[in-house]
Amino acid sequence: QSVLTQPPSASGTPGQRVTISCSGSSSNIGSNSVDWYQQLPRTAPKVLIYVNSQRPSGVPDRFSGSKSGTSASLVISGLQSEDEADYYCAAWDDNVNHWVFGGGTKLTVL
Amino acid sequence: EVQLVESGGGLVQAGRSLRLSCVASGFTFEDYGMHWVRQAPGKGLEWVAGISWNGGSQVYADSVKGRFTISRDDAKKSLYLQMKNVKSEDTALYFCAKAQQSSVVDHFDSWGQGTQVIVSS
Repeated sequence: QSVLTQPPSASGTPGQRVTISCSGSSSNIGSNSVDWYQQLPRTAPKVLIYVNSQRPSGVPDRFSGSKSGTSASLVISGLQSEDEADYYCAAWDDNVNHWVFGGGTKLTVL
Repeated sequence: EVQLVESGGGLVQAGRSLRLSCVASGFTFEDYGMHWVRQAPGKGLEWVAGISWNGGSQVYADSVKGRFTISRDDAKKSLYLQMKNVKSEDTALYFCAKAQQSSVVDHFDSWGQGTQVIVSS
């Protein structure tokens, strides 16, 4: 059971907009920033969004993140086939004094 | 270009020890926090341990506390994970990850390709 809760799966057709949610508590998302990681099949994860909504250089602006209260969201606009991957949210948790991940969301592009 | 290369994984019997290594290049290693994150077969990511830039702060997941030790050797630009009394649930692909800044609370901006650990009973 992950500390951060994500839907196990999501899907969309090319060009669609998809939202992946991440729910936590006051000790993690409620008091710290959220990061999102993308893991393409058989590869290492890479940071997609950091500090709630910041995109590293090289990440397309189709990807955006937001946070409100104890929840966060990753939005992918203009879905592309190469976006098919697993997506994880993460945050520092002040109660346990370490990082916590969501269980991951498998995105399928139909 | 940042590169993180893990090694040291393999097949180990339950109750034994194993040491993982991660050699870094492409950045000033001693300035950054570092982490170990693992992924069990078919499962999600689980953060394991982190160490600050100067080694002064070391933090661990509850599942490994007291059994695993994270350390660093800045002269060798290397990160280590000493695993003792390994259990079957430690079977996973272990990733080395670099923090964006010096602290353990900064997000992970680069990842290695991982080293596989399989614990047999």
